[in-house]
Amino acid sequence: DAKTTQPPSMDCAEGRAANLPCNHSTISGNEYVYWYRQIHSQGPQYIIHGLKNNETNEMASLIITEDRKSSTLILPHATLRDTAVYYCINSGSARQLTFGSGTQLTVLP
Amino acid sequence: GAGVSQSPSNKVTEKGKDVELRCDPISGHTALYWYRQSLGQGLEFLIYFQGNSAPDKSGLPSDRFSAERTGGSVSTLTIQRTQQEDSAVYLCASSLSTVSGNTIYFGEGSWLTVV
Repeated sequence: DAKTTQPPSMDCAEGRAANLPCNHSTISGNEYVYWYRQIHSQGPQYIIHGLKNNETNEMASLIITEDRKSSTLILPHATLRDTAVYYCINSGSARQLTFGSGTQLTVLP
Repeated sequence: GAGVSQSPSNKVTEKGKDVELRCDPISGHTALYWYRQSLGQGLEFLIYFQGNSAPDKSGLPSDRFSAERTGGSVSTLTIQRTQQEDSAVYLCASSLSTVSGNTIYFGEGSWLTVV
């Protein structure tokens, strides 16, 4: 069973920042937080991952709380193409990715 | 190639037939994974390879499922005597290694429909 908790759905206005929360209260010390997204009928797309420091790449930013029990994925300027299911996963090794039900993000025009 | 490549992208087969699904990982990636996703469901881990070895086969649903990897590159997932419940998207992924913190990249999947 999934070790993370995410809201089932969120809306965001186009051009605004989308902030997607995730709770991972049982995360252990060597587990990373990964974010993927999946657009219908496509394979999961890697977004970002981190251990304890905040991370930023060309797609998004990842904010991890100091106690590492929760994190937030930030899409700084959401577009309609960002509409997808977003998965937050914690994993101690690259083979143990357990996808939960994720958050359906809908970007509204 | 630039990403993980899977073929066929779509396959319709008759119940009882065997099917082979192919995965070509990102060049240089030693770890390769197979997952499947049934309609409206989450991803189910099937098997992973480190090089040509498969240390963990516990995710394979039955003995009708097998996988191999040769030359540390291409992998084939074989389903024998397909059943309707095998209908799903079969996703392949790869990473530099299985060490914690490596990024796993997925292919677009092979859609299997058993009729």
